[in-house]
Amino acid sequence: EADIYQTPRYLVIGTGKKITLECSQTMGHDKMYWYQQDPGMELHLIHYSYGVNSTEKGDLSSESTVSRIRTEHFPLTLESARPSHTSQYLCASSLGDNLNIQYFGAGTRLSVL
Amino acid sequence: QKEVEQDPGPLSVPEGAIVSLNCTYSNSAFQYFMWYRQYSRKGPELLMYTYSSGNKEDGRFTAQVDKSSKYISLFIRDSQPSDSATYLCAMGLTGNQFYFGTGTSLTVIP
Repeated sequence: EADIYQTPRYLVIGTGKKITLECSQTMGHDKMYWYQQDPGMELHLIHYSYGVNSTEKGDLSSESTVSRIRTEHFPLTLESARPSHTSQYLCASSLGDNLNIQYFGAGTRLSVL
Repeated sequence: QKEVEQDPGPLSVPEGAIVSLNCTYSNSAFQYFMWYRQYSRKGPELLMYTYSSGNKEDGRFTAQVDKSSKYISLFIRDSQPSDSATYLCAMGLTGNQFYFGTGTSLTVIP
């Protein structure tokens, strides 16, 4: 089982609130990722990082921001949550070798009212 | 055009059946092909990965890649109720991001 943890697992908040979704991994992986997953849709990459102080936006436009101050920690922040942000957010990490196998956390299911 | 196409199902089979799950893709440069299994309210877990064309077997699971047809398959033999989950295919290039299918929902009925 992958050692990658996401908190909270479920979050229901009101519009306009600032939230941070936490993701930590204990595998020493260099690469970390945030995906958005909606029912019946493919996983969409919203942010990724290739190491400390490295962050990039993914294919899917997102109003969220990320930071990578420590190798093991890759939090995602929404400054002002909206109902359109309601989704499942998945964090993943990979070793950074050619194979790039990604290991996923259990996800955070976010509902913005 | 989507990079990866996967039939979302749902697929329902009796216990013991052979299950075939498939994905097609458009980018002929893809080198790595993976199958993930995702149980309800959990994150995807890696089931199998293959590099380039050919077959790979692991217990009841066989992954097959046909690069000439841009088609990959996952076969599950002697399916069990515990195999009930959503199966996602993923593929990509060396060291770069992967593209995921939408997932196929499978239910194995006892």
